Amino acid sequence: GDSVTQMEGPVTLSEEAFLTINCTYTATGYPSLFWYVQYPGEGLQLLLKATKADDKGSNKGFEATYRKETTSFHLEKGSVQVSDSAVYFCALKRSARQLTFGSGTQLTVLP
Amino acid sequence: KAGVTQTPRYLIKTRGQQVTLSCSPISGHRSVSWYQQTPGQGLQFLFEYFSETQRNKGNFPGRFSGRQFSNSRSEMNVSTLELGDSALYLCASSFEATGWGDTEAFFGQGTRLTVV
Repeated sequence: GDSVTQMEGPVTLSEEAFLTINCTYTATGYPSLFWYVQYPGEGLQLLLKATKADDKGSNKGFEATYRKETTSFHLEKGSVQVSDSAVYFCALKRSARQLTFGSGTQLTVLP
Repeated sequence: KAGVTQTPRYLIKTRGQQVTLSCSPISGHRSVSWYQQTPGQGLQFLFEYFSETQRNKGNFPGRFSGRQFSNSRSEMNVSTLELGDSALYLCASSFEATGWGDTEAFFGQGTRLTVV
């Protein structure tokens, strides 16, 4: 079945540091890929998405590129802020019917 | 445009009771999905409804059920509650135009269920 593997957390960075959160997936066909973010006590917010190979999703300084050859969708940001502290989830969707999530990566950014 | 609304935000129930959670999707969205989030199991898919029909179901016991109404609002029900049902229950809606999975799901803030 479908699965998503995310980099184990927690991740702690200083403000303005470079962020990478690794994500790889296993799925048949051509899934759409997503990054969601969850702030304490909240639901999930879509951060970015990519629907086909070599697509780059970007939002709020975050980027991720759909790499079919390596089945990866790593999340990057050049300079993190304290306000980026949250849990980040990588997810795939092969049909309109369900998302398959990774285990989540807790990010803490220190001032 | 209003987002996905889940009610109530918090619930405390006793083992053996049943509970009903409600979800109002974004206007115009006909697909509603439910997910359970726990520290141990992460985010797990419960079921998905489209135009009042359940199209997909995750690997949960029959105590978990749901339905969707003609206005796309959805409810999920858990009967005979167990301690392990304590979780954040998230509802998501999406505008399904093509059915190919390229449309994003928008999530509500969730209902925090505590079973004591």
